[in-house]
Amino acid sequence: GIQVEQSPPDLILQEGANSTLRCNFSDSVNNLQWFHQNPWGQLINLFYIPSGTKQNGRLSATTVATERYSLLYISSSQTTDSGVYFCAAPRSGYSGGGADGLTFGKGTHLIIQP
Amino acid sequence: GAVVSQHPSRVICKSGTSVKIECRSLDFQATTMFWYRQFPKQSLMLMATSNEGSKATYEQGVEKDKFLINHASLTLSTLTVTSAHPEDSSFYICSVEGAFFGQGTRLTVV
Repeated sequence: GIQVEQSPPDLILQEGANSTLRCNFSDSVNNLQWFHQNPWGQLINLFYIPSGTKQNGRLSATTVATERYSLLYISSSQTTDSGVYFCAAPRSGYSGGGADGLTFGKGTHLIIQP
Repeated sequence: GAVVSQHPSRVICKSGTSVKIECRSLDFQATTMFWYRQFPKQSLMLMATSNEGSKATYEQGVEKDKFLINHASLTLSTLTVTSAHPEDSSFYICSVEGAFFGQGTRLTVV
């Protein structure tokens, strides 16, 4: 199955700073997702981004499928951005209609200090 | 996206007892749901795939007789942890459509 690696494992920033989180995956994928897990455990889907670039407010993501990596950018960080950020891909690399479980990276634990 | 409700959010049980966790898809008919387990400060690991009207598919190393999964309708899957032991203490979370997750259940076995 696919392997997913994330870096850095931990990141501590001051409020207002920008950050870049990286996700490398071992094989071709047709589904790459970024999630934010808040301190209460809730997982929120941030981006579905198998390729290209997407933006949502202060967050944006870019996936370079040919080089098997994805980046999550957080600009002007706020304390509410704290938590763990996971990227995930289908176990086989390819999903059809959401019918495959996901392989998650180990996550980046982000702490934004006021 | 799909709205997924998981219950209970937190449960404490005695060693040797069984605990049932419910995962409901509120606005989407899900023929497939997924169950994950997350130990403290670790990543999510897929435990099993719940299939409506048929047997669940378990990942390697997950005991099917210990983690009973029932997916009797298109909106409800249940995970029962049987004869729970302290090492089963974990965060259990379900998902629908591969992208939408329930709130999770924190199980503590004492």
